[in-house]
Amino acid sequence: DTGVSQDPRHKITKRGQNVTFRCDPISEHNRLYWYRQTLGQGPEFLTYFQNEAQLEKSRLLSDRFSAERPKGSFSTLEIQRTEQGDSAMYLCASSPLGRSRETQYFGPGTRLLVL
Amino acid sequence: DAKTTQPPSMDCAEGRAANLPCNHSTISGNEYVYWYRQIHSQGPQYIIHGLKNNETNEMASLIITEDRKSSTLILPHATLRDTAVYYCIVRVEGGGADGLTFGKGTHLIIQP
Repeated sequence: DTGVSQDPRHKITKRGQNVTFRCDPISEHNRLYWYRQTLGQGPEFLTYFQNEAQLEKSRLLSDRFSAERPKGSFSTLEIQRTEQGDSAMYLCASSPLGRSRETQYFGPGTRLLVL
Repeated sequence: DAKTTQPPSMDCAEGRAANLPCNHSTISGNEYVYWYRQIHSQGPQYIIHGLKNNETNEMASLIITEDRKSSTLILPHATLRDTAVYYCIVRVEGGGADGLTFGKGTHLIIQP
């Protein structure tokens, strides 16, 4: 257990529905990342927050995806009008200032299945 | 970030040293080598990183060749719990706000 938690751990939804995932990073970590991982592939970067500011978004993050980090604490990732291609593991990671940005602590992930 | 090449899979006997190679022939002078692993159904876990000197921590050792074009992650006494996908990542430390770039990694299977 790294101290990063994600909720829910599993989500099954029907195509076209909206889903929202939550990530609670390690409390003193001000950097937060979202990744997506499909079967047999390594994680792919989606977006990055430093405190409450969203500083980077991957081109993988279509306009159906939105992420927030109010007050610089927990973060949410929402997918609107889900498609079957959104089925994947969604991973959250955090890292503290003062350490390498590349030393990230990952949560257990939320596994999404879109039917 | 420089490209890395890893074998898709490896086997190792329990209790033996597991040596995982990574080729990064296009690495530049300010890029570090990072290793992560991902046990089935869990998030990736940071293992170790280094620039040019060999590094050791409680989990593993990292050996980087003198020309820095390749490296080896060593798990000194592999256990069944070390079965995982191991990712080698090359990156400038603190470079850019984007996240880590994971390849497909090496699936290490520890045999009893």
